[in-house]
Amino acid sequence: GENVEQHPSTLSVQEGDSAVIKCTYSDSASNYFPWYKQELGKGSQLIIDIRSNVGEKKDQRIAVTLNKTAKHFSLHITETQPEDSAVYFCAASISRGTSYDKVIFGPGTSLSVIP
Amino acid sequence: DADVTQTPRNRITKTGKRIMLECSQTKGHDRMYWYRQDPGLGLRLIYYSFDVKDINKGEISDGYSVSRQAQAKFSLSLESAIPNQTALYFCATSDPGQGINEQFFGPGTRLTVL
Repeated sequence: GENVEQHPSTLSVQEGDSAVIKCTYSDSASNYFPWYKQELGKGSQLIIDIRSNVGEKKDQRIAVTLNKTAKHFSLHITETQPEDSAVYFCAASISRGTSYDKVIFGPGTSLSVIP
Repeated sequence: DADVTQTPRNRITKTGKRIMLECSQTKGHDRMYWYRQDPGLGLRLIYYSFDVKDINKGEISDGYSVSRQAQAKFSLSLESAIPNQTALYFCATSDPGQGINEQFFGPGTRLTVL
């Protein structure tokens, strides 16, 4: 079955610097890669996602890149702010739209942005 | 307004006790899920339900059971709690009609089994 690895497990950056979180997946059939942000005491929320037919996607300060050949995908946060401090989960899924699309989550990265 | 709510938010119990965690949603989604979160392991699926009559085991269902009382309610039970079930538990919903399986999570229940 699918396995998702995520690195680093913890990351500290100075406010204004960039943060990069990397994930790898094992199932080449996976075609949908969401990223979730979990703030303290709250449930995770989708912040950005990418499909396998796209190599990069950007939304303001966050971007995600995908290398299908290497089965790697990464989250990039630029100009980090204290409110970016949270746990970030990557995930991989085989999205067929109608049947159950099992979502496999990575172990998470705890990001701390130091003011 | 919270779309996905969980009760209780925190619970401390003893080994062998029966525990029920409840989840309610106002999103109108048919699909509901229970996940467990442990440090270094991420979110792992316990059970999922596509509708009131459809219940499926996830990757770590042993020691757990679920009940889908209505479209809006999905409960997780630990029949006889054990210490290694100490974890954060999250309920989630999704709507496949959106074309992607975005999960909408509740705020979580922190369960401690002594």
